Amino acid sequence: IAGITQAPTSQILAAGRRMTLRCTQDMRHNAMYWYRQDLGLGLRLIHYSNTAGTTGKGEVPDGYSVSRANTDDFPLTLASAVPSQTSVYFCASSPEGEGSNEQFFGPGTRLTVL
Amino acid sequence: GQNIDQPTEMTATEGAIVQINCTYQTSGFNGLFWYQQHAGEAPTFLSYNVLDGLEEKGRFSSFLSRSKGYSYLLLKELQMKDSASYLCAVRDGDYKLSFGAGTTVTVRA
Repeated sequence: IAGITQAPTSQILAAGRRMTLRCTQDMRHNAMYWYRQDLGLGLRLIHYSNTAGTTGKGEVPDGYSVSRANTDDFPLTLASAVPSQTSVYFCASSPEGEGSNEQFFGPGTRLTVL
Repeated sequence: GQNIDQPTEMTATEGAIVQINCTYQTSGFNGLFWYQQHAGEAPTFLSYNVLDGLEEKGRFSSFLSRSKGYSYLLLKELQMKDSASYLCAVRDGDYKLSFGAGTTVTVRA
């Protein structure tokens, strides 16, 4: 693994189903993030984690949950998917602390909820 | 929270210069980022400004004025591969990013 990976690449899901989007990074970054990207709205933060064992809510957390059991993995779960959760989901990671510490993005998961 | 505004679309000719403006209102400021995103791909980091002034990196430059809540990204000697969306993002006091909706730049031959 080089960088940050996401799975699946795309998914079509029936409303009401449970779905977990996977994210793994091998850069030993402390901080990880989940965004959704919708046309005309840009990237919006769903949840974040500053370090393993801690998580926080972003701008649009409702209907989503996350866990951070270790440094590398940061799964995002939709407990009961709804059509408004149709979006492209990006996972990102960054080193913690000051400085540029830009976020590195995974390739994204395109999710369609019918 | 953050309020970040940037133009929706811009078109320019190959070899020309384009300036993408970004204005923001912030409750805390820890730097401004520009990302490039090609269609169907992930955003990639272009530049970072935390102090006022111009940062130059090859054909791309980014400017910041904290007192005016203003930044711009300057793309020089445009190439066809520069056709993409450019995202302005502000990092708040908690080191979280808020993104603008993005500016789609189309480079024409």
